[in-house]
Order: sequence, then structure tokens, then C-alpha cells
Amino acid sequence: QMQLVQSGAEVKKTGSSVKVSCKASGDTFMYRNLHWVRQAPGQALEWMGWITPFNGDTNYAQKFQDRVTITGDTSMTAAYMELSSLRSEDTAMYFCAVGPLDNYFGYWGQGTLVTVSS
Amino acid sequence: EMVMTQSPATLSVSPGDRATLSCRASQSVSNNLAWYQQKPGQAPRLLIYGASTRATGIPARFSGSGSGTEFTLTISSLQSEDFAVYYCQQYNYWPPLTFGGGTKVEIK
Repeated sequence: QMQLVQSGAEVKKTGSSVKVSCKASGDTFMYRNLHWVRQAPGQALEWMGWITPFNGDTNYAQKFQDRVTITGDTSMTAAYMELSSLRSEDTAMYFCAVGPLDNYFGYWGQGTLVTVSS
Repeated sequence: EMVMTQSPATLSVSPGDRATLSCRASQSVSNNLAWYQQKPGQAPRLLIYGASTRATGIPARFSGSGSGTEFTLTISSLQSEDFAVYYCQQYNYWPPLTFGGGTKVEIK
């Protein structure tokens, strides 16, 4: 049974960047996609992008295309999401999630709260 | 972008009653539809994938149906732990993968 553990809460200034990590135990990301999904306070879930760790392919939502970078390490047990040019609207809980190559989400991290203020 | 619309936004149900949640896609997504449950302060949990296949460990009172553009999640007899927000998600067209706006199931 895979478990995903994310890095801790962050407080950032507008215009800066944040990098959130997601580390797996109990299994690897082999033949799976690793996604990032965010949720603003009181709002619905919003998909940001994914990485296929075994070949490094990425796919991003157009909304975040210019500001997000998702990377993974060669162990296929860790992945990272960096969001740049932060604005107040980026204040949200950020989740990593793993699913099969079909792209639904079977395992979720606990979430990382990112707060952006001036 | 595929738009997923859930209804109702809020559903008030008494414990032991049946709850029926709807999800509509703006175009056919075949059966590439998943349902998640989210409780306050927690990550979502996968309930259903492939429109009707229960995920591992999900009780039989949860069932999914539908294909194409119309989908339903039914909770046959609501337990106290089922009061939560439920999201549908399509994975037929990407990018982007898209979620519905959620249905909150609350105690009547």
C-alpha cells in the first residue's frame, strides 16, 4: 500500500516561488503518473499537471503552463512541484496524487498549505 | 476543456436514507469517470473508477452508474461517516483532467 508524504506548510511573498515535495513509501511510481492537484479555501479540486516518472514525460494544465514545473527523481519515490510568480490567488492546499496511467487518483498525499501574501 | 457539472450543490439527507448524486459531462467521457469523497481537513479518497468499479476497501453501499455524459453516485443507506463532499472527475480528455464542483452531503 503506497503512502505519500508531502513537505510542510509554506508562507511566501507575492512574486516568489515555492517547491513542494512528495515522497512515497511502500511502493514506487513505476508505471504510474504522479499528479499535483490544488484546492483553494472552500473551493473545488483543480488539476495542475502530472509527471510520468519512469520516462520523465510531463503534462500541464494550460492555466499553469508558464509557472509550474513538476520533476521526479530517479528512485521513482519522490516528486516535486515548483510554482513561480506566486500571487495571492495561489493560496491553497496542494496535494500530490498517484494513479494508474488511466489518470484517476488512487493515493493522495496529506496536502501542503501554501499561503501567499504581500 | 471538459466541464463537469455536479448537482445538487448541497444534499440534506437523514442517516439511513438513500443519497443520489449527479455528475454531467459537457461531452461524452465514455466510462472514464471517478468519484471521490473528501472530509474536512483531509485529502480526497477514491471511491469509484471506471464509472462503476468500487476502489479497494470501499463499502458496498457506494455504487456508481452511468456512461457518456450522465453519471450517478448512490449511497444506499447513509452512515454518519458518509457526510462529506463528493467530487466527480473525468479522465477521458486531457489536458486538463477536470473535476466537478462538488456535492456536499449534510445531515438533515
